[in-house]
Amino acid sequence: DAGVTQSPTHLIKTRGQQVTLRCSPKSGHDTVSWYQQALGQGPQFIFQYYEEEERQRGNFPDRFSGHQFPNYSSELNVNALLLGDSALYLCASSQLYFGTGELFFGEGSRLTVL
Amino acid sequence: AQSVTQLGSHVSVSEGALVLLRCNYSSSVPPYLFWYVQYPNQGLQLLLKYTSAATLVKGINGFEAEFKKSETSFHLTKPSAHMSDAAEYFCAVRPYNTDKLIFGTGTRLQVFP
Repeated sequence: DAGVTQSPTHLIKTRGQQVTLRCSPKSGHDTVSWYQQALGQGPQFIFQYYEEEERQRGNFPDRFSGHQFPNYSSELNVNALLLGDSALYLCASSQLYFGTGELFFGEGSRLTVL
Repeated sequence: AQSVTQLGSHVSVSEGALVLLRCNYSSSVPPYLFWYVQYPNQGLQLLLKYTSAATLVKGINGFEAEFKKSETSFHLTKPSAHMSDAAEYFCAVRPYNTDKLIFGTGTRLQVFP
């Protein structure tokens, strides 16, 4: 049973560019959440998707957007990249209504903005 | 706003010694509480969770945590540290009626032979 998979694992962009990160949830999960983990910090909640809709959002600007597909996979898009967007981006999946409340995390996509 | 405080960004212990990692939360309503571990260049793995059942929660790899409402604490312990326990540990709270997790800043555990 594959867990949460994310791609790419590493990428380098320059300021002002746009980036798309991808996530496939654990089998049987219907909800995907995205977190940003800056170096030396704990993860911070970006947003959560369920039934292809953004269900909750953290304190992140509109430059951060997402999408969920019918197969429950998800994308995180960041526009107009800033140096401060350099971080590990973690995807987590769960079952919204019939699960245990536990989030399963992928290994992350490490974004470096130069 | 709810928050989580992890006292001590770095903790060092000898192999075989007691591990104690501290976590305090702020919440007017008992929340769900979690401990996650992160090994270098990896994602987060759930160690254990408190969901208002037993106050002493046992997790994987010999770790356990006790929920103390009067102290708003959820400290993580392990009786005997192993070299493989060296990692970053995060305490997190899931506020009532939301699905997001609020994480602490983490504690890096070093284990010396």
